[in-house]
Amino acid sequence: TQLLEQSPQFLSIQEGENLTVYCNSSSVFSSLQWYRQEPGEGPVLLVTVVTGGEVKKLKRLTFQFGDARKDSSLHITAAQPGDTGLYLCAGASLGSNYQLIWGAGTKLIIKP
Amino acid sequence: EAGVAQSPRYKIIEKRQSVAFWCNPISGHATLYWYQQILGQGPKLLIQFQNNGVVDDSQLPKDRFSAERLKGVDSTLKIQPAKLEDSAVYLCASSLEGGQPQHFGDGTRLSIL
Repeated sequence: TQLLEQSPQFLSIQEGENLTVYCNSSSVFSSLQWYRQEPGEGPVLLVTVVTGGEVKKLKRLTFQFGDARKDSSLHITAAQPGDTGLYLCAGASLGSNYQLIWGAGTKLIIKP
Repeated sequence: EAGVAQSPRYKIIEKRQSVAFWCNPISGHATLYWYQQILGQGPKLLIQFQNNGVVDDSQLPKDRFSAERLKGVDSTLKIQPAKLEDSAVYLCASSLEGGQPQHFGDGTRLSIL
């Protein structure tokens, strides 16, 4: 059974601080997606990483895919209250159905 | 493009009653997903359709949950009879193909009394 473990489960920090969220597995994925979900809404895709070692930036958010395509990280620089939400990672299985394996999420609160 | 549409947004029923949710995916998306999300947790896949065929329903409690995607477009998810532990948000998502980025609706928040 493929699993994606996210850490930390919960993080509450002050505006302006930096943070990193991790997504780890013992399985290899063809790609990994990061989503953000706000209360009362569905998850919204932030980025997809495909190549081992790939780094993508989205304003103050930096996403990295591990060299072995088993893990990923999300780093936020100078966090803002608007970054508050549930961050979810999802790995695309190498199986024939290309199913997504979901992490349990990191609940992030940025205090002004 | 129009997003994934779900209805209703909220539903309150008593245990042992039945309930149905509806989803209209993004036009042209072959893959449709139903998820159950407990408050504060990640989504749990209930069923995945590829066009009108079922790809994965391994986590669907088939004694009480059913889903269909007639004509490979709209989909309905039904619970009959509902239990207290079914209280959750039910999310529908669609993607061009399996494994591709998913587009989610805003979900239906179900409360069982």
